[in-house]
Amino acid sequence: AQRVTQPEKLLSVFKGAPVELKCNYSYSGSPELFWYVQYSRQRLQLLLRHISRESIKGFTADLNKGETSFHLKKPFAQEEDSAMYYCALRGLTQGGSEKLVFGKGTKLTVNP
Amino acid sequence: DAGVTQSPTHLIKTRGQQVTLRCSPKSGHDTVSWYQQALGQGPQFIFQYYEEEERQRGNFPDRFSGHQFPNYSSELNVNALLLGDSALYLCASSFGLPTEAFFGQGTRLTVV
Repeated sequence: AQRVTQPEKLLSVFKGAPVELKCNYSYSGSPELFWYVQYSRQRLQLLLRHISRESIKGFTADLNKGETSFHLKKPFAQEEDSAMYYCALRGLTQGGSEKLVFGKGTKLTVNP
Repeated sequence: DAGVTQSPTHLIKTRGQQVTLRCSPKSGHDTVSWYQQALGQGPQFIFQYYEEEERQRGNFPDRFSGHQFPNYSSELNVNALLLGDSALYLCASSFGLPTEAFFGQGTRLTVV
């Protein structure tokens, strides 16, 4: 079964502090992991995906297959980072499984 | 490009009624997926349409059905509405596999 767990429902940090949003997954095959972000009153949008190895808006995430984790990190949080963050998994199978399995999300608040 | 557009934005229905939600994919996209997002939860996969066929389905009852038209737009139909069907319904479009899914703003359905 495919499952994504985000253990923190709420996370609050001060501006300039490091932030880490945790994500653990369960999947027997080779997963593709994503982080999606939803700013207030905006649509869900892709923040980053592990296969591209990009750093978007200062955020990075490394896939750790041993720990089945894909934590999202940023060294210095900004107020504009306040949003809802969802970790998602897409299974890569020969049949081309395409559904995204989302975690319940973490609401990040960056205080001034 | 307007991106993924969904209509209506809000909808109130009575228990037992039927509802149809609509989605126009991003220009150039041929695959449409539907998700249900209950309050405080992450999006949950309902089904996906490609070439006017349902390609994959999540764990939703047959009351949930869909359709994709030749212009790639899609409809989600829910029959015999239950109070528990109240949620934000998201449409996501993509092209090819694997690729980034772009989400619409969603339709907020309230069943009373």
